[in-house]
Amino acid sequence: KAGVTQTPRYLIKTRGQQVTLSCSPISGHRSVSWYQQTPGQGLQFLFEYFSETQRNKGNFPGRFSGRQFSNSRSEMNVSTLELGDSALYLCASSTAGGLYNEQFFGPGTRLTVL
Amino acid sequence: AQSVAQPEDQVNVAEGNPLTVKCTYSVSGNPYLFWYVQYPNRGLQFLLKYITGDNLVKGSYGFEAEFNKSQTSFHLKKPSALVSDSALYFCAVRDRNNFNKFYFGSGTKLNVKP
Repeated sequence: KAGVTQTPRYLIKTRGQQVTLSCSPISGHRSVSWYQQTPGQGLQFLFEYFSETQRNKGNFPGRFSGRQFSNSRSEMNVSTLELGDSALYLCASSTAGGLYNEQFFGPGTRLTVL
Repeated sequence: AQSVAQPEDQVNVAEGNPLTVKCTYSVSGNPYLFWYVQYPNRGLQFLLKYITGDNLVKGSYGFEAEFNKSQTSFHLKKPSALVSDSALYFCAVRDRNNFNKFYFGSGTKLNVKP
């Protein structure tokens, strides 16, 4: 079974631009979560989707948004990029419903904002 | 206060010795607790979880963790460390009393020396 895939793997943007990251979960997984990983802040939860609905979200500004499609694929969008948005963005999927299920992580998208 | 804390940035052990990586949490109720590992240049991988039941849970690669409700701790342990265990370890908690938000600790770098 293929793992979680994220595209693109690397991205360079400039301040003020917007970016869209994509995540394809493991086949059959309906829950997708997004995380931001930086050396200073560690791993921070962005949001979680289940069956196309945002189930919960972390403490990030409204510039960060996401969505999930009917095939469980998910996208994350960051508008008006700031230097501090430079990070590794991780996507994780898990099986249907269970909040106690382990998450399977993708390799991440490395975003650099210049 | 942090929802989950890993008090040690780094833990050094000799190969063959037991290891402990500490984790404490500060969410109320009965959270779900997890340990993940991140090897260099590889994605996060699930190690083990505590949902309910026996306080000692066993996971992948010979790791185990002990849940202690009175001390709100979930320390990761292994009886005999291997050099290949050297990696970054993250404790995580699902806060069932706060919209099921997911929080990661800051991570602990485990160095196992031959």
